[in-house]
Amino acid sequence: KQEVTQIPAALSVPEGENLVLNCSFTDSAIYNLQWFRQDPGKGLTSLLLIQSSQREQTSGRLNASLDKSSGRSTLYIAASQPGDSATYLCAVVGTSGTYKYIFGTGTRLKVLA
Amino acid sequence: DAGITQSPRHKVTETGTPVTLRCHQTENHRYMYWYRQDPGHGLRLIHYSYGVKDTDKGEVSDGYSVSRSKTEDFLLTLESATSSQTSVYFCAISETPPGGAGANVLTFGAGSRLTVL
Repeated sequence: KQEVTQIPAALSVPEGENLVLNCSFTDSAIYNLQWFRQDPGKGLTSLLLIQSSQREQTSGRLNASLDKSSGRSTLYIAASQPGDSATYLCAVVGTSGTYKYIFGTGTRLKVLA
Repeated sequence: DAGITQSPRHKVTETGTPVTLRCHQTENHRYMYWYRQDPGHGLRLIHYSYGVKDTDKGEVSDGYSVSRSKTEDFLLTLESATSSQTSVYFCAISETPPGGAGANVLTFGAGSRLTVL
């Protein structure tokens, strides 16, 4: 059974710091991995989608990498800002369940001004 | 949340009463999903739809039913609400199935907070 873990559960950093959020999954047979952002009381917003054949994706200050063999993905945020404060979730789609994203429980990030 | 609307956004109800949550999309996406989000459990799939009248169960479907009579609407019904169904419910849509080389992003609604007393 696929399990997705995000450690740490919470993180506080000063503004301007570069940071890395981690996502681990137990079964490397995945179609893709997606990173989301969730603000308090809001829905999830997709940040980056990495197909299984890709190693990384970039959008602005965000860079996500994927290492299927080790079951890991990282989300790199450059020059963090207070507006980046949110919960970040990753989710994978395994090759055995086409319609099923398995979500991690997220990392709650707070960027201090 | 553009293109996807959930209603009601907040609801308080009593144990044993029926509840229907509505998801409406204007994106003409084929795939629609209902998730619930609970502390410590993350998001879990309740039911999904891969077309009009085509639905299937997710991992936590007991006590829930769904219907999709039109492309734009996906209804989630709790036939007899229980306190364990107190949660935040999210609808999501995608243009293509999550798996496969051409997978598109998953777009979420703003959520419906349900409290069952």
